[in-house]
Amino acid sequence: DVKVTQSSRYLVKRTGEKVFLECVQDMDHENMFWYRQDPGLGLRLIYFSYDVKMKEKGDIPEGYSVSREKKERFSLILESASTNQTSMYLCASSLVGQGGSAEAFFGQGTRLTVV
Amino acid sequence: AQSVSQHNHHVILSEAASLELGCNYSYGGTVNLFWYVQYPGQHLQLLLKYFSGDPLVKGIKGFEAEFIKSKFSFNLRKPSVQWSDTAEYFCAAAIYNQGGKLIFGQGTELSVKP
Repeated sequence: DVKVTQSSRYLVKRTGEKVFLECVQDMDHENMFWYRQDPGLGLRLIYFSYDVKMKEKGDIPEGYSVSREKKERFSLILESASTNQTSMYLCASSLVGQGGSAEAFFGQGTRLTVV
Repeated sequence: AQSVSQHNHHVILSEAASLELGCNYSYGGTVNLFWYVQYPGQHLQLLLKYFSGDPLVKGIKGFEAEFIKSKFSFNLRKPSVQWSDTAEYFCAAAIYNQGGKLIFGQGTELSVKP
């Protein structure tokens, strides 16, 4: 079974802190994604990566950065956390299939609260 | 910009009723399409997917979806829902040759009354 593991289920951080969310996948997938999930807004893509050291902005990259130094690990960084970044953060990975993404596998999510 | 729209935000049905959830995408080229489900407290799981071929695809737990290219739609259906289908459902699209970018709709919350 594919496993996507996010380092924390729950996090509470203070405004202005630098926050690191870690994600590891064990299936040698090329693609990795970070989304945030908010009620009524669905999943919004923050960043995705299609290879080591490669990244592309998603729909809401402002206030976030990412790092992919190894194929299995994709980190999301909140440079200076703000209360409007309180959300559920989901990591996913997928193979590249037929010119696009094959199915994505998701982690359990990290519920981040910024106070 | 490409987008995926789900027009039903919250659907309430009684058990044994039929279900159809709408999904439209805005991209004129080739797409891969997916439906995911998120049961309360669980992570997202794949229900079904469409890459090419037969536009009517069958997934797990009796769900199916039909790809209609002319309408840019990929609606999810189930003939008879059960209480255990209570969950949030997400439609998603992967755009060909955009490095694997995968975008989701807003989600539809389904509540099935026993």
